[in-house]
Amino acid sequence: EAQVTQNPRYLITVTGKKLTVTCSQNMNHEYMSWYRQDPGLGLRQIYYSMNVEVTDKGDVPEGYKVSRKEKRNFPLILESPSPNQTSLYFCATADRGGQPQHFGDGTRLSIL
Amino acid sequence: QKEVEQNSGPLSVPEGAIASLNCTYSDRGSQSFFWYRQYSGKSPELIMSIYSNGDKEDGRFTAQLNKASQYVSLLIRDSQPSDSATYLCAVNTDGSSNTGKLIFGQGTTLQVKP
Repeated sequence: EAQVTQNPRYLITVTGKKLTVTCSQNMNHEYMSWYRQDPGLGLRQIYYSMNVEVTDKGDVPEGYKVSRKEKRNFPLILESPSPNQTSLYFCATADRGGQPQHFGDGTRLSIL
Repeated sequence: QKEVEQNSGPLSVPEGAIASLNCTYSDRGSQSFFWYRQYSGKSPELIMSIYSNGDKEDGRFTAQLNKASQYVSLLIRDSQPSDSATYLCAVNTDGSSNTGKLIFGQGTTLQVKP
């Protein structure tokens, strides 16, 4: 079964404590991306990756890092989380060409 | 700033009616357009994609694209209560560079009343 798996699904943590949200896909897709979704602001792209070791900034990259060491994994790293990063996060994948995109189940982060 | 605009709604229609959802975009170079459905608390699910002017039909769904007017719409015929969700319009803004970057609208909430 084609899957995009995010972990954790829910996390409550405190300001400044480094955290990583993992994203793994089993579809051999080249393209992976991270979005955050906030009420009234819709889905905004944080970072995307066209292939292994190829990443680029989306619209709201500040405060986030990513890496793409393997094709199947695309972790999102918050080195020093702040309350304004409280949001619902989605990982998405696509095959060559980057579209359409298929989303994981989401990770709800609360930064206190 | 490239933008995709949708009326946030809610759009309320009776069961069995046609629901019409609209989206405008600012980048004339956009070539690919998508509609996603998102149920409350769930992830977006792709329901339609359209790449050329005109209509594209898939079951009860019809996507319409007018690049001259920079307008894309989604029609849902015979609306069912199970269609109640938020519908997201997404536009690829990279033209021929094909990086896959999507810009999403804020979404339109559809309520289908029995």
